[in-house]
Amino acid sequence: EVQLVESGGGVVRPGGSLRLSCAASGFTFDDYGMSWVRQVPGKGLEWVSGINWHGGDTDYADSVKGRFTISRHNAKNSLYLQMNSLTAADTALYYCARVDSGRFDPWGQGTLVTVSS
Amino acid sequence: NFMLTQPHSVSESPGKTVTISCTRSSGGIASNYVQWYQQRPGSSPTTVIYEDNQRPSGVPDRFSGSIDSSSNSASLTISGLKTEDEADYYCQSYDSSSWVFGGGTTLTVL
Repeated sequence: EVQLVESGGGVVRPGGSLRLSCAASGFTFDDYGMSWVRQVPGKGLEWVSGINWHGGDTDYADSVKGRFTISRHNAKNSLYLQMNSLTAADTALYYCARVDSGRFDPWGQGTLVTVSS
Repeated sequence: NFMLTQPHSVSESPGKTVTISCTRSSGGIASNYVQWYQQRPGSSPTTVIYEDNQRPSGVPDRFSGSIDSSSNSASLTISGLKTEDEADYYCQSYDSSSWVFGGGTTLTVL
């Protein structure tokens, strides 16, 4: 079974940092690009960042460019999101998702990040 | 970058057909594939349509997708509505290294 499990969310103060992880299983991890997508509770989906299969090509939404860094460790079947200079606007449920034939599929269950003083 | 605009909400009765639109603000709708996701309350999104009109295995054929270049929009049509179809639906496309989601449409089946 293809599975993605996020971790690393929590409460952090404005200006702080957090590192999210996503553990993948059930598929050949380094065959696929991966992405992070976030969702403010009760609101819509926002693509955050993407990375290609070998990690050499990364993209970011304008809202996080320069503050967030996506990376992956194929030998560990893991995806990461380093988030710095966090603000209240970054409070959301963060999903990792496999990129398959142009679609995000599947998605993990999400990890909640709350930025609050 | 472009935007994808969806109606905020739609409602229809069980057994009927509903269509949700997704209009692209700039650039051709056909220039990049459109995907549709279903998100039930408390759950992660799942794909119901990919590459404009393809259904993943396990998605019933009551779900169909299409694009219309004249209106620069994509559509998700759900026929034979069931109460289990009640959910939020999001369209999504891609351009210039950026992935874009529509704002989402809440479907109420009443």
